[in-house]
Amino acid sequence: GAVVSQHPSWVICKSGTSVKIECRSLDFQATTMFWYRQFPKQSLMLMATSNEGSKATYEQGVEKDKFLINHASLTLSTLTVTSAHPEDSSFYICSARSSGGHQPQHFGDGTRLSIL
Amino acid sequence: DQQVKQNSPSLSVQEGRISILNCDYTNSMFDYFLWYKKYPAEGPTFLISISSIKDKNEDGRFTVFLNKSAKHLSLHIVPSQPGDSAVYFCAASLYNNNDMRFGAGTRLTVKP
Repeated sequence: GAVVSQHPSWVICKSGTSVKIECRSLDFQATTMFWYRQFPKQSLMLMATSNEGSKATYEQGVEKDKFLINHASLTLSTLTVTSAHPEDSSFYICSARSSGGHQPQHFGDGTRLSIL
Repeated sequence: DQQVKQNSPSLSVQEGRISILNCDYTNSMFDYFLWYKKYPAEGPTFLISISSIKDKNEDGRFTVFLNKSAKHLSLHIVPSQPGDSAVYFCAASLYNNNDMRFGAGTRLTVKP
């Protein structure tokens, strides 16, 4: 159980393109979803937290207008990287957790984004 | 501000022996701790967790120990298997688990 699906797994696109990444919880209701970014040989850096039906909470230094997050249902959150540039190239990972006390976050397999 | 630290970037052990992965944290408000395992090009997989009211939690070959006074936790894997070779992240969160912080990871290699 606790499967999180992230799509696409790999994106290569031109500078200036907007890219949408989907994160779905397949077998549980995710009241909260998280978006992380991982640079090579570094840890996961939390970008934003989103609760279903409300606006995302962004970490300091993360541009809200650059990284648009929508959590429209209990099983789907999307991250849109708007007008992507080469410095946005990274590994983006989503996670989801259900409500109720201490619950682990369950992660998708990540999206490798390469901006040319 | 690195609130969760894994000071050993890598660890190599022989198959069948014990693997001990260590993690330190600075925020005494953390009350829930987790270990994740990550293979290349995949997301982290949840392994085991422990809340601050406990000092030990065991699940099969995996045991997590928590020393709150030292702000230290460790993951023991015994016996280690080649399939355990991966990067292991420890994580710590506050009471509502909406603010989870990760260590930098330790790459474990289990040699046959």
